[in-house]
Amino acid sequence: TQLLEQSPQFLSIQEGENLTVYCNSSSVFSSLQWYRQEPGEGPVLLVTVVTGGEVKKLKRLTFQFGDARKDSSLHITAAQTGDTGLYLCAGSTSGTYKYIFGTGTRLKVLA
Amino acid sequence: SAVISQKPSRDICQRGTSLTIQCQVDSQVTMMFWYRQQPGQSLTLIATANQGSEATYESGFVIDKFPISRPNLTFSTLTVSNMSPEDSSIYLCSVRPQETQYFGPGTRLLVL
Repeated sequence: TQLLEQSPQFLSIQEGENLTVYCNSSSVFSSLQWYRQEPGEGPVLLVTVVTGGEVKKLKRLTFQFGDARKDSSLHITAAQTGDTGLYLCAGSTSGTYKYIFGTGTRLKVLA
Repeated sequence: SAVISQKPSRDICQRGTSLTIQCQVDSQVTMMFWYRQQPGQSLTLIATANQGSEATYESGFVIDKFPISRPNLTFSTLTVSNMSPEDSSIYLCSVRPQETQYFGPGTRLLVL
């Protein structure tokens, strides 16, 4: 069974701090996505990475796909209260249409 | 893009009863996905619904417990049958028209 482990599970930080969330697996993924979910809503896609070593930036968010395509990280610079939410990674292996979701990281940014 | 609506948004049900959740998409899609998100946890895929064929269920989920209908390319229903408190979860409908996966707002179910 494929498993995507995220760390940390919970994170509470002050506004303005930096943080990194990790997504790790023993499986190789053809693509990996990051989502943010706010209470009462469905997850919203932030980014898709497909190439080993790929780095993508979305404003203050930086996403990296590991060289071996087994892991990924999300780095947030100067966190804001609006970044609060559940962050989920999701990976898809070659030849499948399904995405396996990670265990999730619940982030709370305090004013 | 795709805009997805779900009904009901939330419900409280008695054990032993069944609830049907509706999912409507604003565009035609080949596959629709149903996920479960238990309290404080991540998403688990229940099944994939294709129009005109039986849904494909993931390990641990069976058709008798979660029957799915897919009458056309914009609509699907998921029924949670013979409910128990362990079925209390958020149920999410999802589509992936191209590379981006879109989710509905979810149906929050509490079983007493």
